Amino acid sequence: GESVGLHLPTLSVQEGDNSIINCAYSNSASDYFIWYKQESGKGPQFIIDIRSNMDKRQGQRVTVLLNKTVKHLSLQIAATQPGDSAVYFCAYAGGTSYGKLTFGQGTILTVHP
Amino acid sequence: DVKVTQSSRYLVKRTGEKVFLECVQDMDHENMFWYRQDPGLGLRLIYFSYDVKMKEKGDIPEGYSVSREKKERFSLILESASTNQTSMYLCASKESGSVYEQYFGPGTRLTVT
Repeated sequence: GESVGLHLPTLSVQEGDNSIINCAYSNSASDYFIWYKQESGKGPQFIIDIRSNMDKRQGQRVTVLLNKTVKHLSLQIAATQPGDSAVYFCAYAGGTSYGKLTFGQGTILTVHP
Repeated sequence: DVKVTQSSRYLVKRTGEKVFLECVQDMDHENMFWYRQDPGLGLRLIYFSYDVKMKEKGDIPEGYSVSREKKERFSLILESASTNQTSMYLCASKESGSVYEQYFGPGTRLTVT
């Protein structure tokens, strides 16, 4: 039967603050990790990705950190803006065929002006 | 830019009806995916297709089927809609091989009454 839905983790920050969104993954064979942003009424959009041979990757205002020892991934957003308000999903792949992604449950980020 | 379109943004159907959700991508991607998204549960994979006329079950295929007659089009079929299939349905596509980034459509919010 259907699982009971869970409340998503939430993060509220002030405009200009830095935000850190965390994600734990379970599959130690995962070799690719990706962060998506989903705004209200839209499909998820790619933000940044990282492969398992790296522990840090930077983009424009975003940084992804990967700790394979504890199977933890984080997304850091610098100088958070109201337009960053969205649900953020981590996803990972590897050890499976056809590049299937496994998604986390998501984190709601709310940025207050 | 990759464009993934879905035939409807909102759909209301009655219990027992057969429902078709259509997805079209314009980037000649080999792989296509159907997910459902429910609060607190993230994205769960229903079915995916790695090539025309090829399909694989995802994590929650029960009550669904798919069709991929042309490379650009991937259809999700609810053979006999039930209220527990009320959800947001997201289609995605990606290149084949080791590229993992998936491009998502805007989603179809299906309500079964």
